[in-house]
Amino acid sequence: QVQLEESGPGLVKPSETLSLTCTVSGYSLSTGYYWGWVRQPPGKGLEWIGTIYHTGETYYSPSLKSRVTISIDTPTNRFSLSLQSVTASDTAVYYCARGITGPTFDYWGQGTLFTVSS
Amino acid sequence: QSVLTQPPSMSAAPGQKVTISCSGSSSNIGSNYVSWYQQFPGTAPKLLIYDNDERPSGTPDRFSGSKSGTSATLGITGLQTGDEADYYCVTWDSSLSAAMFGGGTKLTVL
Repeated sequence: QVQLEESGPGLVKPSETLSLTCTVSGYSLSTGYYWGWVRQPPGKGLEWIGTIYHTGETYYSPSLKSRVTISIDTPTNRFSLSLQSVTASDTAVYYCARGITGPTFDYWGQGTLFTVSS
Repeated sequence: QSVLTQPPSMSAAPGQKVTISCSGSSSNIGSNYVSWYQQFPGTAPKLLIYDNDERPSGTPDRFSGSKSGTSATLGITGLQTGDEADYYCVTWDSSLSAAMFGGGTKLTVL
């Protein structure tokens, strides 16, 4: 059974960098599939952040592209999200997920709330 | 504002049928597959439909998807109170090289 779990600090100050890690179990990242991040501000809809293919090829949301980096670490079976220069509008639940294709995610983590506050 | 347009809310009675629309353009829905997600409050989204009309194992056949031109539709028959949730469409936008979610539809089963 494929499982994903997000981890990272729940609180970051404005202008700092958010770093989240997704640990995958039950499937080897080096084998295939896409691996992505989606966020959801409180009370709002889903927003795609970006996706990385198992080869390392990345795709990012145009609105976040200048601040986002997604990387993959196959030896530890983890992939990560880095979001620079955060503001209050980056406060959201962040989900990691496995992608069949770019926007089609079949397995999701439970989500982690990330808050930007001084 | 989302690139894909969904009605913010819909409601129907138990046992009835509902269709949720998702409208886009030639660069997204018009040229790529559409997926649909179901999300209950406080939980992660669940893949309901992919490749326009395919159901993952575990999705009841009461749920169906279709696409025509630059619009897609999620259909739910035999509505149950347990279907009360938020529903999102998503597709790839070839012009933006990015995935795009609809704004979501809150379904109420009265």
